[in-house]
Amino acid sequence: NAGVTQTPKFQVLKTGQSMTLQCAQDMNHEYMSWYRQDPGMGLRLIHYSVGAGITDQGEVPNGYNVSRSTTEDFPLRLLSAAPSQTSVYFCASSYSHSGALYEQYFGPGTRLTVT
Amino acid sequence: GDSVTQMEGPVTLSEEAFLTINCTYTATGYPSLFWYVQYPGEGLQLLLKATKADDKGSNKGFEATYRKETTSFHLEKGSVQVSDSAVYFCALKGFNDYKLSFGAGTTVTVRA
Repeated sequence: NAGVTQTPKFQVLKTGQSMTLQCAQDMNHEYMSWYRQDPGMGLRLIHYSVGAGITDQGEVPNGYNVSRSTTEDFPLRLLSAAPSQTSVYFCASSYSHSGALYEQYFGPGTRLTVT
Repeated sequence: GDSVTQMEGPVTLSEEAFLTINCTYTATGYPSLFWYVQYPGEGLQLLLKATKADDKGSNKGFEATYRKETTSFHLEKGSVQVSDSAVYFCALKGFNDYKLSFGAGTTVTVRA
């Protein structure tokens, strides 16, 4: 199993550009989520999904869109990049059952810089 | 809402020293508590967890006990190694919730 994979590893964007961060998992996990990691702030939840076709907002959703058309993939779209979106982005997935969330597996991260 | 407060770093220790990282939480009901570790250049890995009061999670020589009376989940290790150098995150999952709330992270550096 590859686990949770993310592409690209690094990206530089200019203000106003759009892009999609890719996330895939091969563990058949229902639950997937996106976090951003900023110094001194831990990880903050952007969006999450509890299954294909179901997504919901996390703590900091503004400026980001997600969709979940398959169990495996959960892309994160930046609509119009801003310098405030410079961060490290982590995707995570987990098996869930009857409302219980099991261990979350994290991808290696995407380091995004917006100039 | 649910939140986690953990000890600010950075923390620098010598090999074989005792490590404690404090973590306290605010939550309604009965949350589950976690410690995650992030080694340089990598994603987060689950280190240990506890799902109810008085549970003790342990892994790789690390321990943490879920204390409901003090709303705490402090991480301890009796003798650290250079390979324990990492960022440690305390996290909480509310009862019947899918989301994890993370603390700010504590950077630990162990010197030989």
